Amino acid sequence: IQMTQSPSTLSASVGDRVTITCRASQSVSSWLAWYQQKPGKAPNLLIYQASSLETGVPSRFSGSGSGTEFTLTISSLQPDDFATYYCQQYNSYPWTFGQGTKVEIK
Amino acid sequence: EVQLVESGGGLVQPGGSLRLSCAASGFTFSGYWMSWVRQAPGKGLEWVANIKHDGSEKYYVDSVKGRFTISRDNAKNSLYLQMNSLRAEDTAVYYCVKSLAAPQEYWGQGTLVTVSS
Repeated sequence: IQMTQSPSTLSASVGDRVTITCRASQSVSSWLAWYQQKPGKAPNLLIYQASSLETGVPSRFSGSGSGTEFTLTISSLQPDDFATYYCQQYNSYPWTFGQGTKVEIK
Repeated sequence: EVQLVESGGGLVQPGGSLRLSCAASGFTFSGYWMSWVRQAPGKGLEWVANIKHDGSEKYYVDSVKGRFTISRDNAKNSLYLQMNSLRAEDTAVYYCVKSLAAPQEYWGQGTLVTVSS
């Protein structure tokens, strides 16, 4: 299953509402996760099962969607949120990641 | 506190072998699926392999099937990745992950594997 994220790069300002889209080449039901990765660090799980917030993740992050189209929304971008974001399907093997979306400072 | 500490990375020639280890602590290792995920320099994430709690089920990405073997020793709280017939495209940071894509997921710090002559 191919996962395609858009956009690949996003320029935004602190306080902006940001939306990242992830599309699957076939249905993955709700078996979709979102990660944040900062340079030189391991990824950090934000959302699992499409819309469930991982413990400890700020509530400004939210996920939605099912089937083939999903979104990650950051309601009010904070300085700590400038990073690369990945979606990942775990509906069927081989598990696959999207190519990533880099959120940059505008 | 959960800890995953990878080791065994390094420089290896094409066609060579390497065995990665991941020492786990701070949780009941035998109760969780474990995974290896890799990231080539400057590139995105790639899932490599999964292993069930008891080692009875294993899954691999197509590009490593027949070359890599995931295993675990629950008595030693350790996860392994035996990598044979290494290729330049296997060059990456390899991460050990507890419960990938599930609640209370945890990643190690990663170990770099470089395949080059």
